[in-house]
Amino acid sequence: DIVMTQSPDSLAVSLGERATINCKSSQSVFSSSNNKNFLAWYQQKPGQPPKLLIYWASTRESGVPDRFSGSGSGTDFTLTISSLQAEDVAVYSCQQYSSTPPTFGQGTKLEIK
Amino acid sequence: QVQLVESGGGVVQPGGSLRLSCAASGFTFRSYVMHWVRQAPGKGLEWVAFIRYDGSNKYYTDSVKGRFTISRDNSKNTLYLQMNSLRAEDTAVYYCAKDKAARPHYYYYMDVWGKGTTVTVSS
Repeated sequence: DIVMTQSPDSLAVSLGERATINCKSSQSVFSSSNNKNFLAWYQQKPGQPPKLLIYWASTRESGVPDRFSGSGSGTDFTLTISSLQAEDVAVYSCQQYSSTPPTFGQGTKLEIK
Repeated sequence: QVQLVESGGGVVQPGGSLRLSCAASGFTFRSYVMHWVRQAPGKGLEWVAFIRYDGSNKYYTDSVKGRFTISRDNSKNTLYLQMNSLRAEDTAVYYCAKDKAARPHYYYYMDVWGKGTTVTVSS
């Protein structure tokens, strides 16, 4: 199984500042067949189900604010929130779907400083 | 609107059984592969099982193989998870989730999630 490791485990950022969350996979999740990275990001607020933010490593899901962006390739990926808003307090998880079983990172808890 | 509603969770003793259901609405259920994903208390997400559009293929995470069975009834727009021989480590919130891609594609990432149903395995 591909192991997904996120860093940091928790993060406190001031309102309006940039937040950066990293995700590393134990194997490359890039596919040369379609030239895409099989990597998604989810946001989960307390007591709520996960919400898809980003897929193919950098494609924003419909309705997701453009302050959220994804980058990276191969084994190293980043989720960036360009200007943190109060409603962005949540746990963020990456997921690879390059191979079965799909696997998730342990999650990064984002708080307001 | 697109919606998934799980039911069937509860408290069960080790070795017991439960059947979870997930009612889908707002989309063409038969055109999407479906997943079950669980989250143990205070832990991360864990993919559990997948079923193709017509139920012809099913895949499971290793820890539930031989104990859990995923199924679907496209005439009722409903997904199921039969859980047998339950263990304490199966305690979690169980989510049903829709694959992002429509038939004939599927990619194992999920764009619609239910609110979840809680399964507690305890004596």
